[in-house]
Amino acid sequence: DTGVSQDPRHKITKRGQNVTFRCDPISEHNRLYWYRQTLGQGPEFLTYFQNEAQLEKSRLLSDRFSAERPKGSFSTLEIQRTEQGDSAMYLCASSLVSGSAKNIQYFGAGTRLSVL
Amino acid sequence: AQSVTQLDSHVSVSEGTPVLLRCNYSSSYSPSLFWYVQHPNKGLQLLLKYTSAATLVKGINGFEAEFKKSETSFHLTKPSAHMSDAAEYFCVVSGAGSGTYKYIFGTGTRLKVLA
Repeated sequence: DTGVSQDPRHKITKRGQNVTFRCDPISEHNRLYWYRQTLGQGPEFLTYFQNEAQLEKSRLLSDRFSAERPKGSFSTLEIQRTEQGDSAMYLCASSLVSGSAKNIQYFGAGTRLSVL
Repeated sequence: AQSVTQLDSHVSVSEGTPVLLRCNYSSSYSPSLFWYVQHPNKGLQLLLKYTSAATLVKGINGFEAEFKKSETSFHLTKPSAHMSDAAEYFCVVSGAGSGTYKYIFGTGTRLKVLA
């Protein structure tokens, strides 16, 4: 089963460093989403792509955050100059745009970021 | 604007007794509603979805939810809890009619199942 895959699963970094996460969606899925989940909270939307186009960004996505999906397949989320407040679980999801399962998002296991 | 409120942050039930997890939503458009479950160190798993077909929706593992427009509610139920149901549950609203496909999550309900 090739579900949504995220790498790495865990990342520990020092404040001020840059980090990059990767997400591989389910292969035929056109839409790809990024969410952030802090302890005790529900996931919060960051951004989403349809194919390679980034169609929506949350105000949570500050200038230090950038996401790409260059070929409409995998996506990367980069955080520059990390801050302790960036510590969270970063979740990726993907979905179809048509068919009976359209708009149902399938989630990866997430990347847990700890900023020291 | 869309929002979802999960009325209980923690619910405890005894094994074999019914489960009720409450969710109210707000949406200017005809919403799609979902329940997801999150086990520790696991990804979010879809339990069920409502997308304007039948108001009583059956999901996996014996869970079901009823969409009540008049009460703007989408409560999750299960007749008999099992130890393996202990997890965090999220109610989600999404509305393609609002021009966006993003999910809006509730704050979650942690279900504890007592032996």
